[in-house]
Amino acid sequence: DQQVKQNSPSLSVQEGRISILNCDYTNSMFDYFLWYKKYPAEGPTFLISISSIKDKNEDGRFTVFLNKSAKHLSLHIVPSQPGDSAVYFCAASGNFGNEKLTFGTGTRLTIIP
Amino acid sequence: KAGVTQTPRYLIKTRGQQVTLSCSPISGHRSVSWYQQTPGQGLQFLFEYFSETQRNKGNFPGRFSGRQFSNSRSEMNVSTLELGDSALYLCASSLGGSGTDTQYFGPGTRLTVL
Repeated sequence: DQQVKQNSPSLSVQEGRISILNCDYTNSMFDYFLWYKKYPAEGPTFLISISSIKDKNEDGRFTVFLNKSAKHLSLHIVPSQPGDSAVYFCAASGNFGNEKLTFGTGTRLTIIP
Repeated sequence: KAGVTQTPRYLIKTRGQQVTLSCSPISGHRSVSWYQQTPGQGLQFLFEYFSETQRNKGNFPGRFSGRQFSNSRSEMNVSTLELGDSALYLCASSLGGSGTDTQYFGPGTRLTVL
């Protein structure tokens, strides 16, 4: 049972435009959400997180939006740059103090110069 | 500050053998989590150690085990290897004080079982 879903396996975006990556979850006990970026042959790199008490968190070009009623979160990258080309994973955890992360299957983002 | 390191980076074993993977966390981090990444299943949580105790466990068979030492370094062991154990094994470290502590990942160990 996939509790965290990323329904788009791939996404292509022109350089300079906005990239929007989506993630849905089913477990209402999740209360902390993260986005990681992964290059081939490297471990995931933390990008940005959001707790369930907020609906938006910004960090530079990256913004994460959380819609708790829809159990949906999205990552916006503006403007998109060629170095953003990577696989993006959303992850969720529940019950503060629990280190277990449940990951989505990832979306491969390609930025077209 | 040095990042999370994992050794070895690549490993080839045959079915039935056992393997031990090592993870050194970021200095000061007390929690180490292990994940398995496969093309079909994505990243799946194996277990988490905090202060030498297993604090969380995923849904993997008992062939997968781990331990943590007093310096927070961790090892995971897989016994009686199966072809399906071929995967990238990632460890992540965090301060471990709360579930919102960011987990930082190492580069992974690529295990191939023949």
